[in-house]
Amino acid sequence: GQSLEQPSEVTAVEGAIVQINCTYQTSGFYGLSWYQQHDGGAPTFLSYNALDGLEETGRFSSFLSRSDSYGYLLLQELQMKDSASYFCAVRDQEEHKIIFGKGTRLHILP
Amino acid sequence: DAGVIQSPRHEVTEMGQEVTLRCKPISGHNSLFWYRQTMMRGLELLIYFNNNVPIDDSGMPEDRFSAKMPNASFSTLKIQPSEPRDSAVYFCASSRTLALEQFFGPGTRLTVL
Repeated sequence: GQSLEQPSEVTAVEGAIVQINCTYQTSGFYGLSWYQQHDGGAPTFLSYNALDGLEETGRFSSFLSRSDSYGYLLLQELQMKDSASYFCAVRDQEEHKIIFGKGTRLHILP
Repeated sequence: DAGVIQSPRHEVTEMGQEVTLRCKPISGHNSLFWYRQTMMRGLELLIYFNNNVPIDDSGMPEDRFSAKMPNASFSTLKIQPSEPRDSAVYFCASSRTLALEQFFGPGTRLTVL
């Protein structure tokens, strides 16, 4: 079987840095992705990590440690528009399907 | 390039009626996914196709749900008969073959009264 765990909610202040963690359990592993979803919108792709280490894309970075079955999304210089839900997703090698976490709701305070 | 196209965007129907949701994936994408999202259950994968062939339909709730992909540019998700508990947002997504970067359509908000 497979499972992903991420916090249900995180609160941070505008301009600050926030980290959203994701731990996973799969029978095989191809990579970890992150998606952002604003209220009333569709999930949009943010990043993908196949190898250990940090991937940076502007204010957003994503980290993966395959040995720890763990990854995180790092958001810097938070803006109010970053208020959204963030989902991690993994592809299970055995079942060949992509599994999404339950999502983390990010609240940003002015 | 157009993204994933879904229709209708909103659907309100009465219990017992048949509902058909439509999806046009991004041209060149080999994989197509149908998801359902509710507050209680989050984002659930219902079924996915690779090269128009259903690969895994284990997420389909029950026999009332069926999905087809007659060609590379069109897929349908049908619910017959619909029930109030089917009310949700249904997303279609496509990607290059089983890639982790999926492109989601705008979704269909279904309300079954």
